[in-house]
Amino acid sequence: GQNIDQPTEMTATEGAIVQINCTYQTSGFNGLFWYQQHAGEAPTFLSYNVLDGLEEKGRFSSFLSRSKGYSYLLLKELQMKDSASYLCAVRERSNDYKLSFGAGTTVTVRA
Amino acid sequence: NAGVMQNPRHLVRRRGQEARLRCSPVKGHSHVYWYRQLPEEGLKFMVYLQKENIIDESGMPKERFSAEFPKEGPSILRIQQVVRGDSAAYFCASSPDREENTEAFFGQGTRLTVV
Repeated sequence: GQNIDQPTEMTATEGAIVQINCTYQTSGFNGLFWYQQHAGEAPTFLSYNVLDGLEEKGRFSSFLSRSKGYSYLLLKELQMKDSASYLCAVRERSNDYKLSFGAGTTVTVRA
Repeated sequence: NAGVMQNPRHLVRRRGQEARLRCSPVKGHSHVYWYRQLPEEGLKFMVYLQKENIIDESGMPKERFSAEFPKEGPSILRIQQVVRGDSAAYFCASSPDREENTEAFFGQGTRLTVV
């Protein structure tokens, strides 16, 4: 089976940096996704890592270590609009997009 | 450039009724995935379909739930004889055939409430 763990909640101040960790144990691995989900809305794609290392995209960066089964999402220069749930998801097969999701981390940004 | 379209956005059903949830994938996408999100929980995979075929239904409950993706028209997730525990948000995602694409696009979801 799959086991994907991430913290339930995190709180940070506007302008600060927050790092959301995700550990996974899955029977296969073909990439790790991070999605952002605002309450009542669709998950929106943030990042995708399939090789070890850091991927940077504006204020958001994502890191992957396949040997450790570990990823993190780094949010810099936090803005109030970043308050949302952040979902870590693993794709196990290479030929489809069936994803196994963690329960999500709710990030609250305070002024 | 329409994304994944789901309807209805909100659906209320009484216990024992049937619920039909519709999903129109991104134009040109032939792969559809259904996920369920219970309150305070993550998204759980239910079923993966390609046109006219069910590829993986390992996440579907054995009874009352069915899904289809006909040659023409949207994908349908059907829940028969709904119970309170079926209350959840149901999300559909679609992807193209190209393996190098690294994103599945999600719809806005259908929020089912069983009363």
